[in-house]
Formats: sequence, C-alpha cells, structure tokens
Amino acid sequence: NAGVMQNPRHLVRRRGQEARLRCSPMKGHSHVYWYRQLPEEGLKFMVYLQKENIIDESGMPKERFSAEFPKEGPSILRIQQVVRGDSAAYFCASSPRPGQFYEKLFFGSGTQLSVL
Amino acid sequence: QKEVEQDPGPLSVPEGAIVSLNCTYSNSAFQYFMWYRQYSRKGPELLMYTYSSGNKEDGRFTAQVDKSSKYISLFIRDSQPSDSATYLCAMSAGKNTDKLIFGTGTRLQVFP
Repeated sequence: NAGVMQNPRHLVRRRGQEARLRCSPMKGHSHVYWYRQLPEEGLKFMVYLQKENIIDESGMPKERFSAEFPKEGPSILRIQQVVRGDSAAYFCASSPRPGQFYEKLFFGSGTQLSVL
Repeated sequence: QKEVEQDPGPLSVPEGAIVSLNCTYSNSAFQYFMWYRQYSRKGPELLMYTYSSGNKEDGRFTAQVDKSSKYISLFIRDSQPSDSATYLCAMSAGKNTDKLIFGTGTRLQVFP
C-alpha cells in the first residue's frame, strides 16, 4: 500500500514561471491537506480539499496560489508567477475522513521548490 | 504572539539520556495534541497523539498535556542516535478537520 506520493521531489523555477506540485493521496483517502514549511519555521496550513471541493483555503495566499483535487487524478497545488519568497518545502497530507483520527493522517515526503 | 510556541533548539544529548521537549499554546479551543518526528528531507510522521489533558505512554515515549497551563511535553527515555530528528508539536480543535497548527520544531541530536 503506497503512502502519500508527491512529485516532483525537487522543482526549480525562475522568477515569473509557474510551479505545479502534485499529490496522490493514499488509497482510500479522499481528504487532502497542503502545508508549507519555510526555513526555520513550522509547517503552515494552506488548504484542505475533498474530491472536487475546496473546504478550507484560509491559509492560502490570496493571489497566485490555487489548489484543486479533481474527481480523477492527483491534487494539484499551482503557484503562478513564482517569487523567491515562494521557495519552501510543500507537504501534502491525506486522511480517509477528517477530525479525531490523527493516526490515519499521513504526510508525503514533500516537494522542495527553489525559485532562482 | 504565535498560537504555538516551541524552542527550536538544537538540543544535543548523549545516548541514553532522558529528553524533554515542550510546547506552549494560546488557543484554549485546542483539544487534540500531537507530536511528529521529521527526519531531514522527509515528511512528518506521527509519534503520539492525545486528547484533552493527561498522559500517554508508548514504549520509550511519553506525551503529557496540561490544558490548564496550555503546556504539552514529550519525553523520550533511553534516547538513541536514531532519535536524532526534528520534533514538531501540533494541535487541532478537531471538529471535522485535520487542519493542524504546528510549532516550529525542536532539532534533537543524540550523540553516541
């Protein structure tokens, strides 16, 4: 049973380009969370999605960032017109159902985004 | 003021020592408290979680929650070099979301 799969592991972009980060949840999991980890900081919640629905995007920057979790395929975190401050590790987590079942919340290994 | 405060360390201890890691928080709505271990360039993995106040033990690890003081701790007994990692506390108010609020993490180094 594969864990949460994130790709690419490393992504290098120049300022102004677009970054697309992918997350395939664990089999049977329909809830996906994206977190960002900046150097010397803890993980910060960005967005919570269920299939075809954004449930909570309170941690997403208002501009340039978007996320989706289509009926088929992985969840995508998209960053348009990247800037150096977007350089961070982006982690995805998935769970079968939300709340109170933290032993079933699993994180992927992350995508390290570097903006030149 | 951050919702969750955690000393970043680094904390360096000899093998076999008892390690104490702590977090304080400000939001009294938090009910679920977790400790994650994160190795370099890896995702966090859950070590322990507790609901409300009290203690929970699992092998060499003990988690304590004191809601009256808004203070949580993780103790590691008989620490091993393989315990060297960053330890993150995380909290949630629950209620149908796994939205977690993390501390910044404490880097632990256990030397032989």
